[in-house]
Amino acid sequence: DSGVTQTPKHLITATGQRVTLRCSPRSGDLSVYWYQQSLDQGLQFLIQYYNGEERAKGNILERFSAQQFPDLHSELNLSSLELGDSALYFCASSVVGLGGELFFGSGTQLSVL
Amino acid sequence: QQQVKQSPQSLIVQKGGISIINCAYENTAFDYFPWYQQFPGKGPALLIAIRPDVSEKKEGRFTISFNKSAKQFSLHIMDSQPGDSATYFCAASGGKLIFGQGTELSVKP
Repeated sequence: DSGVTQTPKHLITATGQRVTLRCSPRSGDLSVYWYQQSLDQGLQFLIQYYNGEERAKGNILERFSAQQFPDLHSELNLSSLELGDSALYFCASSVVGLGGELFFGSGTQLSVL
Repeated sequence: QQQVKQSPQSLIVQKGGISIINCAYENTAFDYFPWYQQFPGKGPALLIAIRPDVSEKKEGRFTISFNKSAKQFSLHIMDSQPGDSATYFCAASGGKLIFGQGTELSVKP
C-alpha cells in the first residue's frame, strides 16, 4: 500500500458529462501529481501541485482542471467528456517539489460511453 | 525533447534468464532516471533509480546501466522469476517525471 488514496476506483459516464476524481496524498507529502494511462499513450503527465500551488503542467487538455486544497488533497475535474478520455487516471504524491520518488495510488478507471 | 523512448514493447523470458529493457532520452537537462514496476490493477512503484554521475547501480537482481554520452539507460533483471512478470516503465526527470511507453515482461516457468 503506497499510502495514496484515490476515489472512486471505477467511474462509468456518458459523453458530454463532467466527473471529479479525488486523491489523498501520503501523510506529509506536499506534492500531488496527476497522470493519465492509456494503452496507446502510456503514462502521460497531466499536472503537478505543490502545497496548493500549481507547479508544473504537462499534456493536460483545457477541458481538464485540477486543484489542491489546504488539507493537501487534490481533485481532477474532467468536463465535456469524450470517448477518448477513457483511461486510467493516477494520482501520485511526493515529499519534495521536484524529482524524487513518486508514490502512486491504485488509480481511477474512467469509462466514457 | 521531452520524450523518453523505451524498448521493447513486450518481452518474454524464461525463468532464470536475463531481462533487458532499454531507454533513450534527448533532454540533457534530465538528472534523475528511475524505473517503475507496475502489476495489474496497481499503480506504478519505484523499483530502482540512478543519477547521471554514476554508470551503474545494482540492487539485488536489478541493475541500471547508464550511458551519459549515448543518452541511454537500461534495466537488467538477473535470474528473472515469474513474480517479476509486470509492466516496467523507465522515466526521466529534470523537474516533472516523463515516462517511457512501458515494457510488458512475462517470465515463463
